[in-house]
Amino acid sequence: KNQVEQSPQSLIILEGKNCTLQCNYTVSPFSNLRWYKQDTGRGPVSLTIMTFSENTKSNGRYTATLDADTKQSSLHITASQLSDSASYICVVSDGTASKLTFGTGTRLQVTL
Amino acid sequence: NAGVTQTPKFQVLKTGQSMTLQCAQDMNHNSMYWYRQDPGMGLRLIYYSASEGTTDKGEVPNGYNVSRLNKREFSLRLESAAPSQTSVYFCASSERTGAASGYGYTFGSGTRLTVV
Repeated sequence: KNQVEQSPQSLIILEGKNCTLQCNYTVSPFSNLRWYKQDTGRGPVSLTIMTFSENTKSNGRYTATLDADTKQSSLHITASQLSDSASYICVVSDGTASKLTFGTGTRLQVTL
Repeated sequence: NAGVTQTPKFQVLKTGQSMTLQCAQDMNHNSMYWYRQDPGMGLRLIYYSASEGTTDKGEVPNGYNVSRLNKREFSLRLESAAPSQTSVYFCASSERTGAASGYGYTFGSGTRLTVV
């Protein structure tokens, strides 16, 4: 069964600090991996999409990495801001029509 | 702003009642999806429509029906609501779906449904 596991479940950091969120997956075949940000009470918003051949992709202060050999991805947030407080969801596609496997997310809280 | 619009935002139903969740997108996307999000679980696909005129079951279709009314609109119907259908429902769209698709999904803001 395809699975996506994220760690930690929750994280609290001080504003201005960096943090890294982890995603391990057992999805086969692999097509692409996506990171989404979900603010409380809102729908997920796409941050990055990476295919098999991509190791790193950035979107502003967000940098995602992918190691397709070990089936791991990370999302690094630099110089965190209060507005980064949200859930971050890792999603893996096996390339078939519409089939995405969602992780349960990491809830990040950025405090003063 | 362009995007995916869902109505209503909140709804309380009694067991056995029916209702339709509405979804519309204005990005000229071909594919649309309905997901549910429950505490401690990842989003799960209920139904999807790869293109206008087609619909297919997802991971958890029981108790739901859908209609792709036109390219813009995709509705989700609960014929006889049950407490197990208490959830947050998200509609999403993408340019297209299919093999090796890297197309991003745009999600609506969700409908929070409570069945008592």
